[in-house]
Amino acid sequence: DAKTTQPTSMDCAEGRAANLPCNHSTISGNEYVYWYRQIHSQGPQYIIHGLKNNETNEMASLIITEDRKSSTLILPHATLRDTAVYYCIVRLRMGAQKLVFGQGTRLTINP
Amino acid sequence: GAVVSQHPSWVICKSGTSVKIECRSLDFQATTMFWYRQFPKQSLMLMATSNEGSKATYEQGVEKDKFLINHASLTLSTLTVTSAHPEDSSFYICSATPAGAGGPGTKNIQYFGAGTRLSVL
Repeated sequence: DAKTTQPTSMDCAEGRAANLPCNHSTISGNEYVYWYRQIHSQGPQYIIHGLKNNETNEMASLIITEDRKSSTLILPHATLRDTAVYYCIVRLRMGAQKLVFGQGTRLTINP
Repeated sequence: GAVVSQHPSWVICKSGTSVKIECRSLDFQATTMFWYRQFPKQSLMLMATSNEGSKATYEQGVEKDKFLINHASLTLSTLTVTSAHPEDSSFYICSATPAGAGGPGTKNIQYFGAGTRLSVL
């Protein structure tokens, strides 16, 4: 699986948009970008994933650059409950693929 | 959404005893489940891949005789930590992928349990 690079930590004010970047310059053509988050002392939670088009769901938006070498997860109106470690993972979509977790970004939402 | 139940959520045991952790997919069948371990302030590390009806595949450095995995049905996988020692104290997390995930039209999402915090005295 391609390696990803994320900032170690970020802060965001409550109510503002939180933009979490991820670099995956060695991504291959059939690999997807998945985002998960882990709230303290809980299991990870799936957020969103995409291949090359921008994606949006009820939790977040995912913006993938045209060359697919980087992406940004956007939480449009961050709340205190969004404080968590966010993981960007690149993997194949097909089959029961394991997830390889990096260190992620520790996002702190401040009141 | 799909739910993965993990039990117990917290366990304390004496050194030398064995502890069993259960991972159940409540509303879907999972031919493959995964077991992770997470030490404080660290990321999740994959321990093994559990396949229904066959032997688990362990990651390098994980002792298969110490961490016994059984995946006897499409909704249940168990992890038994045998002869636990204080260094085995950790947060153990399982995940499951719905059977057929990755096929056309599917999202191939892994769903995670809430985790089991093991403390070995």
